[in-house]
This record gives sequence, structure tokens and C-alpha cells, in this order.
Amino acid sequence: DVKVTQSSRYLVKRTGEKVFLECVQDMDHENMFWYRQDPGLGLRLIYFSYDVKMKEKGDIPEGYSVSREKKERFSLILESASTNQTSMYLCASTRPGLAGDTQETQYFGPGTRLLVL
Amino acid sequence: AQSVTQPDIHITVSEGASLELRCNYSYGATPYLFWYVQSPGQGLQLLLKYFSGDTLVQGIKGFEAEFKRSQSSFNLRKPSVHWSDAAEYFCAVASGGSYIPTFGRGTSLIVHP
Repeated sequence: DVKVTQSSRYLVKRTGEKVFLECVQDMDHENMFWYRQDPGLGLRLIYFSYDVKMKEKGDIPEGYSVSREKKERFSLILESASTNQTSMYLCASTRPGLAGDTQETQYFGPGTRLLVL
Repeated sequence: AQSVTQPDIHITVSEGASLELRCNYSYGATPYLFWYVQSPGQGLQLLLKYFSGDTLVQGIKGFEAEFKRSQSSFNLRKPSVHWSDAAEYFCAVASGGSYIPTFGRGTSLIVHP
């Protein structure tokens, strides 16, 4: 079974702090994703990565950065946390390739609920 | 650009009743469609997916969904709901060019005993 783990289930940080959210997958997946989930808004893509050291902006990258130094690990960084970044953060991974060819789907971690005070 | 609409924010059903959750998508070509479920405090779990072929797709936990191109819909159904089905349900669509799915806003299912 694919396993995607996230370093923390719950985090409480203060405004202005630098925050690191870690995600690790154990299935050698090339593609990894960070989403934030807010009530009534569903999942919104922050960043994704299709290879080590590669990253692409998603729909809402402002205020975030990412790091992919190793294939299995994808980190989301909040350079200076703000209260509007209080949210649930979900990491996902998948193999590469066109979805139709490989019928790949995303595998999600359990999520990190971040509260910024 | 692809988009997904889940018109119902909340759905309440009695245990044992049938269920249908609606999903409409906007995409020009044949989409790849997914339904995910999220139990409280958990990540998302794939229920089923449609890529091609038979438009009626069977998934886990007794769920099924039907792709209707003419209606741009991919509604999720279950004939008899169990209390453990109470959760948030997300529909998602991806295009054939690259695998970046777009998610709907979710439908919260409440099950009454």
C-alpha cells in the first residue's frame, strides 16, 4: 500500500513564525502536491513537484514556498505565517504519466491542521 | 480550464436510504473523473474513478458513479447508506494533458439513525 505521511497532525504557530510542513511518501512517486483545504472551498493547489528540485506554482502559491531535495520528501514552507494561513494542509503523491495512460490517482496523507495565532 | 461543481453543500439522509451526490464538470474533451471521501480528521481516500469504457463505475464501500457526457455529470450513488458513510465527499476532474486534478468544494453527508 502507498503510504503518505505528514510530520504533524496538528500545529499551533504564532504570526510571523517560519513554518515547515513535511510530507514523505514511500512508493517512489515522482509527483507530489500540496493543497490547502478550507470549509466551503474544497481543495486548492498550492504547489506541486514532478521531480527532485523541480516545482511548479499551483492556484494559490502566494505566501508559500516548497522544497524537494529528495524524491520521497516534499516540504511546504510558510516564510512568515499569517492568520489567514490557518487551514488544513494535505499532501498527495502520484506516479508520472498521463492520467489516461496510466490511470494513476493521487494518494493523500492524513493532513496537518495548522492554527496561526 | 477545467472546473467542477458540487451543487449540494450538505446532504442529509436516513440510514438505509439511497443516496445520490451530484457532480458537474466543465471540460471540452473527455475528462478523467474521480470521487474521494474524507472521514473526519482524515486525508482523502479514492472511492472510484472513470477514465474510459463503461460509463457506470463501481467503487469501494458499495458506491457507484455514472458518467453522462450529455449532462456533463458524474453523480455518485449508493443504494443503502450506513451511518459510517457520514463524511465529506469530493468530486475531481483531470484532463488528459497532465495530471493536475481540480476538486469540487465538497458535499458533507449527514446520516440520521
